[in-house]
Amino acid sequence: GAGVSQSPRYKVTKRGQDVALRCDPISGHVSLYWYRQALGQGPEFLTYFNYEAQQDKSGLPNDRFSAERPEGSISTLTIQRTEQRDSAMYRCASSSDRIFSGNTIYFGEGSWLTVV
Amino acid sequence: GQNIDQPTEMTATEGAIVQINCTYQTSGFNGLFWYQQHAGEAPTFLSYNVLDGLEEKGRFSSFLSRSKGYSYLLLKELQMKDSASYLCAVRDEGDNYGQNFVFGPGTRLSVLP
Repeated sequence: GAGVSQSPRYKVTKRGQDVALRCDPISGHVSLYWYRQALGQGPEFLTYFNYEAQQDKSGLPNDRFSAERPEGSISTLTIQRTEQRDSAMYRCASSSDRIFSGNTIYFGEGSWLTVV
Repeated sequence: GQNIDQPTEMTATEGAIVQINCTYQTSGFNGLFWYQQHAGEAPTFLSYNVLDGLEEKGRFSSFLSRSKGYSYLLLKELQMKDSASYLCAVRDEGDNYGQNFVFGPGTRLSVLP
């Protein structure tokens, strides 16, 4: 696609429910990142993939959070048994290749999650 | 681990010059990036440094000193539309094709008429 696409853009869920957030990166991009961003703060790293391999998941807050990218393209971030503190903007980003060190990452518009 | 620090807020006047500083400590370093983020929008790429020195790009310049773990973003001839948050990010290349991007807290710049 032309840009990084995320869905849903807005999600309201009840506490205790599971949610799945989807990210479709720029076509051909090797690396995919998930961030969480609170209002007025910088993006907080959650996890990232190169192709289908999850390279680093050290930023996932706890075991209720998981991510996958089974075919090396679309990724899903799943939050189980949601809690109110999970309410935030979840942003996905992708980049093309590690070979060129100047490669930047491109962000999607984000999925705004509200847990009530 | 990684630690990136920036001032929380800055204010400047239209037409002026402003410098936004960023200090970082990372286990591995493979580039420093600056992003602009307008309220309610996604961050967008501004500049990149991997070697020491100044990179100029129109009204925006970015400087890097790797030995000091320090960078700054310089904005000249400020315009009202430059009011935004400016995010410093470090690409921390670890093992196994790692290229983790870690962001600082962001600096919210307000440009006044």
